[in-house]
Amino acid sequence: DAGITQSPRYKITETGRQVTLMCHQTWSHSYMFWYRQDLGHGLRLIYYSAAADITDKGEVPDGYVVSRSKTENFPLTLESATRSQTSVYFCASSERSGGTEAFFGQGTRLTVV
Amino acid sequence: DAKTTQPNSMESNEEEPVHLPCNHSTISGTDYIHWYRQLPSQGPEYVIHGLTSNVNNRMASLAIAEDRKSSTLILHRATLRDAAVYYCITMEYGNKLVFGAGTILRVKS
Repeated sequence: DAGITQSPRYKITETGRQVTLMCHQTWSHSYMFWYRQDLGHGLRLIYYSAAADITDKGEVPDGYVVSRSKTENFPLTLESATRSQTSVYFCASSERSGGTEAFFGQGTRLTVV
Repeated sequence: DAKTTQPNSMESNEEEPVHLPCNHSTISGTDYIHWYRQLPSQGPEYVIHGLTSNVNNRMASLAIAEDRKSSTLILHRATLRDAAVYYCITMEYGNKLVFGAGTILRVKS
């Protein structure tokens, strides 16, 4: 199916564990983004990527690692999860950045216990 | 990217038009103006975007001031399904998409 999908939709992990959130888009969009949204707050940009093998930090990158070896995938890794990383994570993609719309996934709800 | 200022919340009656304002006084000549909305428990959804001219699509209209320092998102007939947080974002071509606090729109039946 065409679109942008995130997996898993829900994840519970323990403090200190490594966890990877997956994001896959089928449009071959150049740009991809990762955001986190804490309860009752807006979206904060973690990392973004302008193309395969090109990534850059957003507003809140500490504690996260990204890679983009293929255009369609943009995984987000929490190297050592902390309780403060409990959040809903959204992935997005856009063909370009600025003059075109971005499409968002349904989100991954991560709980760190 | 230029900072945007939006009211924290607005209220509308069902079936009436809604005008959601946004100030972006530091916008540069190449910044696009984007609007997204987020319904409860969902990811953000694109609404509309523009550069200089007013824009219309099936969801809404975007009115951009002549000096581009402000814009207004117009929902022509609000429905209960339009209740959401609406985000106004200015964005350079080739740059990142950064969200502000947005406006919570409540629609009364």
